[in-house]
Amino acid sequence: SQTIHQWPATLVQPVGSPLSLECTVEGTSNPNLYWYRQAAGRGLQLLFYSVGIGQISSEVPQNLSASRPQDRQFILSSKKLLLSDSGFYLCAWIRGGTDTQYFGPGTRLTVL
Amino acid sequence: QKEVEQNSGPLSVPEGAIASLNCTYSDRGSQSFFWYRQYSGKSPELIMFIYSNGDKEDGRFTAQLNKASQYVSLLIRDSQPSDSATYLCAAGEDNFNKFYFGSGTKLNVKP
Repeated sequence: SQTIHQWPATLVQPVGSPLSLECTVEGTSNPNLYWYRQAAGRGLQLLFYSVGIGQISSEVPQNLSASRPQDRQFILSSKKLLLSDSGFYLCAWIRGGTDTQYFGPGTRLTVL
Repeated sequence: QKEVEQNSGPLSVPEGAIASLNCTYSDRGSQSFFWYRQYSGKSPELIMFIYSNGDKEDGRFTAQLNKASQYVSLLIRDSQPSDSATYLCAAGEDNFNKFYFGSGTKLNVKP
């Protein structure tokens, strides 16, 4: 069966510090991978998606970036966090050629 | 801008009643539609998906799609307190690459 992992589960970071969030998927190959952010009480904002290794599409031009160094690994990064980066970061995947999306457990980021 | 709209609620129903959640979408090219349930502090979990006009039933849940009206709904029969959560509606692009989410409707089921 397929499993998606995210870490860390929670993170408190000062403004201006760097960020690295990791997502890995088990039990499948060549998945589409997604990063979403959910601000408190809001919907899901698509940040990045990837259809393959090294292929990243950016939806929101901000101080965030994403990388996909391996087939089942997706990383979200920032060089300098802003207060507005606080939120619940969700990684999701779909099996290639299908369109049913499943979410990881999420990382709750607080920027102080 | 492709959008999915939902009433934020809260929608309050008594235990055992039918809860009706609604969603509209702007992109006529969307081919797939999803309902997710999200408990407070947790990640969304998939409840149902629907591709064709009409109704699709799965247990206590029924999804309804009307492409002409660009309208999707979710009916929850025999609502339980454990159904209290935020329900997110999503529409998928026809290339399976991108999904657009509504901001969610909060449902409260009162015992």
